Amino acid sequence: AQSVAQPEDQVNVAEGNPLTVKCTYSVSGNPYLFWYVQYPNRGLQFLLKYITGDNLVKGSYGFEAEFNKSQTSFHLKKPSALVSDSALYFCAVRAALTGGGNKLTFGTGTQLKVEL
Amino acid sequence: NAGVTQTPKFQVLKTGQSMTLQCAQDMNHEYMSWYRQDPGMGLRLIHYSVGAGITDQGEVPNGYNVSRSTTEDFPLRLLSAAPSQTSVYFCASTPPGVVYEQYFGPGTRLTVT
Repeated sequence: AQSVAQPEDQVNVAEGNPLTVKCTYSVSGNPYLFWYVQYPNRGLQFLLKYITGDNLVKGSYGFEAEFNKSQTSFHLKKPSALVSDSALYFCAVRAALTGGGNKLTFGTGTQLKVEL
Repeated sequence: NAGVTQTPKFQVLKTGQSMTLQCAQDMNHEYMSWYRQDPGMGLRLIHYSVGAGITDQGEVPNGYNVSRSTTEDFPLRLLSAAPSQTSVYFCASTPPGVVYEQYFGPGTRLTVT
């Protein structure tokens, strides 16, 4: 079975400071990893993904994430946070070699609050 | 493209009533799925489809039915609503040839009293 843990329910950061939202995963074999963002009363929007290759993945809105296989982590980062980054962030995983379609497992979400 | 559309946006049901949540996409995506989102539990997969005529169960399928008669539409049916089905429901689709990122609809907020 595959699983995702987002250990922090909420992360608070001051605007202009770097931010990190943590994610660890468990999956059989190689993982495909994703980050999605959800603004209030909206659906999820794709931010970035790791499939293979470079461990540092760059995505939308200046976000990036680092895949660490030994620590089974895929933390989301941004060098300088904006108030408009405040939202709910979800990490998701699936095994690379899984039949039956694109069955992602999502974490419980981390609420990011960026304050002036 | 309209993307992934869901109707209705809001719905209130009484226990025991039935209803269908509609989901449609105009992007010719083969893979479609339904999730429910509950506080503190993230998104959980209810049912999914890898193409027209093919559906399968996800993590929490009980109380829900689906069918996929066309590529575009993937309705979710609640046969006899229960208060435990109060949730926000999201439909998502994945394009062919793109590795596994999903496009989500705006959601349907369902309350069962």
